[in-house]
Amino acid sequence: NAGVTQTPKFRILKIGQSMTLQCTQDMNHNYMYWYRQDPGMGLKLIYYSVGAGITDKGEVPNGYNVSRSTTEDFPLRLELAAPSQTSVYFCASKRGGGGEAFFGQGTRLTVV
Amino acid sequence: DAKTTQPPSMDCAEGRAANLPCNHSTISGNEYVYWYRQIHSQGPQYIIHGLKNNETNEMASLIITEDRKSSTLILPHATLRDTAVYYCIVRGINSGNTPLVFGKGTRLSVIA
Repeated sequence: NAGVTQTPKFRILKIGQSMTLQCTQDMNHNYMYWYRQDPGMGLKLIYYSVGAGITDKGEVPNGYNVSRSTTEDFPLRLELAAPSQTSVYFCASKRGGGGEAFFGQGTRLTVV
Repeated sequence: DAKTTQPPSMDCAEGRAANLPCNHSTISGNEYVYWYRQIHSQGPQYIIHGLKNNETNEMASLIITEDRKSSTLILPHATLRDTAVYYCIVRGINSGNTPLVFGKGTRLSVIA
């Protein structure tokens, strides 16, 4: 049971480049989330999804897009990378409204 | 979901019990107390949750006061690997679509 898998683990982007952070879970969870964590700071919610085809903005959605075409996958897209998006990105999933959330190991992104 | 207050940091000697407090004075009757921790650079990890009764699992114990306005997470025999940021989160049974919101947590340092 792999849980929540994020790829890549590390990435360096140049300003203005685009990329997609991949997140997949094999637990058939309905709820999925993207957080970012800046150095020394707490987690901030970017986007979340309560099921395939349904997404909603979190606290810091600007500069990002998401899609949820399947239960398993919840990719996060950066269209025009900026240095302010240098951060560690965590994906998480949860079965329903309650219960525990499972987190991936993170993607460390640097924009130069 | 009710707000929580935690001390920013705590130290604990290795092998001793670590007692991490959390205040949630505005908690309502249908809200659970959840604890997560984040070991350096890793994704947050679920520890335990409870409603009003004390709970224990293989990782920790959760003591909730009778008025439910505060709780304590107990790591009975702290090890160096327990050094992490610990998050106390209050969340309603019927939170449904509301995602997990992480505050600043308590940075626990276990000292040899």
